[in-house]
Amino acid sequence: AQTVTQSQPEMSVQEAETVTLSCTYDTSESDYYLFWYKQPPSRQMILVIRQEAYKQQNATENRFSVNFQKAAKSFSLKISDSQLGDAAMYFCAYNTDKLIFGTGTRLQVFP
Amino acid sequence: EAGVTQFPSHSVIEKGQTVTLRCDPISGHDNLYWYRRVMGKEIKFLLHFVKESKQDESGMPNNRFLAERTGGTYSTLKVQPAELEDSGVYFCASSQALVWTDTQYFGPGTRLTVL
Repeated sequence: AQTVTQSQPEMSVQEAETVTLSCTYDTSESDYYLFWYKQPPSRQMILVIRQEAYKQQNATENRFSVNFQKAAKSFSLKISDSQLGDAAMYFCAYNTDKLIFGTGTRLQVFP
Repeated sequence: EAGVTQFPSHSVIEKGQTVTLRCDPISGHDNLYWYRRVMGKEIKFLLHFVKESKQDESGMPNNRFLAERTGGTYSTLKVQPAELEDSGVYFCASSQALVWTDTQYFGPGTRLTVL
């Protein structure tokens, strides 16, 4: 069965610092996509970054980057220069024909 | 461009009552998905429409849940009769292309509380 595990229910970081959120997944597929979604408090879930499994290069989007280790089935999200607006629930997700999510990590950002 | 919208944002009902959730996808998006997050757990897939047809309803918990998408535009998810374990946040998402790699855009969710 395909599963996604986020082992950190909560994380905190100080403004301007760097934080890494962990995600591991289990699959027997060779072709798939991985996503990080962000859900700010009382707001809608938005896509932060996506990674195609066939690409060796790690995806980056401004201050957000991933460390994709296909053999280890690991897909962590690094947020650099954290800002107060980064505070949110972060969900890791795996996609074949539908999204399979982890339980989420709540990120707090302190000034 | 308007995003995915969901109505209502919150619903509180008693066990045994009926509730209908609505989702309006992004205009032109043929794919519409329903997901549910029970408190503290992962977001779980419920079903997938392609236009008005159910492509995959493998995640629907039981026959108390009925989803429709008449005309291939908005969708409704009815829970009848509601049970306590149905409480959670129901998300709708839509995507444009008929390929599974296309990004899904989410609505804000409907928080359902069954007392």
